[in-house]
Amino acid sequence: EIVMTQSPATLSVSPGERATLSCRASQSVTSYLAWYQQKPGQAPRLLIYGASTRATDIPARFSGSGSGTDFTLTISSLQSEDFAVYFCQQYNNWPRITFGQGTRLEIK
Amino acid sequence: EVQLLESGGGLVQPGGSLRLSCAASGFTFSGYAMNWVRQTPGKGLEWVSTISGGGNSTYYADSVKGRFTISRDNSKNTLYLQMNNLRAEDTAIYYCVTLGHSGYYFDNWGQGTLVTVSS
Repeated sequence: EIVMTQSPATLSVSPGERATLSCRASQSVTSYLAWYQQKPGQAPRLLIYGASTRATDIPARFSGSGSGTDFTLTISSLQSEDFAVYFCQQYNNWPRITFGQGTRLEIK
Repeated sequence: EVQLLESGGGLVQPGGSLRLSCAASGFTFSGYAMNWVRQTPGKGLEWVSTISGGGNSTYYADSVKGRFTISRDNSKNTLYLQMNNLRAEDTAIYYCVTLGHSGYYFDNWGQGTLVTVSS
């Protein structure tokens, strides 16, 4: 099983600042990496797939980068609605898809 | 607009059974592979099962293989998950999810239905 490790577990950032979230795979997943946002009481929402492609209607302030084992989700200028939990997911090893444990992005 | 509405969750005793349903609308249901993904506070997000658009191919996580059965009725635009021999560790929110158009990521999610396995 490919283990996805996200860091940090909690990130405190002020509105308007940049947030950088990391996701590391225990072995290469090439570019088969997705990011999701989840707000309290809601289902996850797809943000990024293919490591760097924004999903439909996702604002340009969200960007994804990386390949192989190390990936980054960057939110360039945090808005109030961006404070949530973010998950990464690898799909290189389908059907043995795995998710990271999440990073909680909170208001500083 | 894609809509996925799960139902059928509830409280069940260990060893019991439950059938989840997911009513889909807003897209050509038969053209999409469908999935169940579950979420617990402790284990986080876990892929459970996938079924192809025509229903001919099914896939399961090792943790549910032999106990859960995924199926679909394309004439009713509905996805199902039959869960037998339920265990405490199956307690979770179960989401009905579409597969992405260019890979095995999860594109559209329902609101989820809570399954609680407890005596």
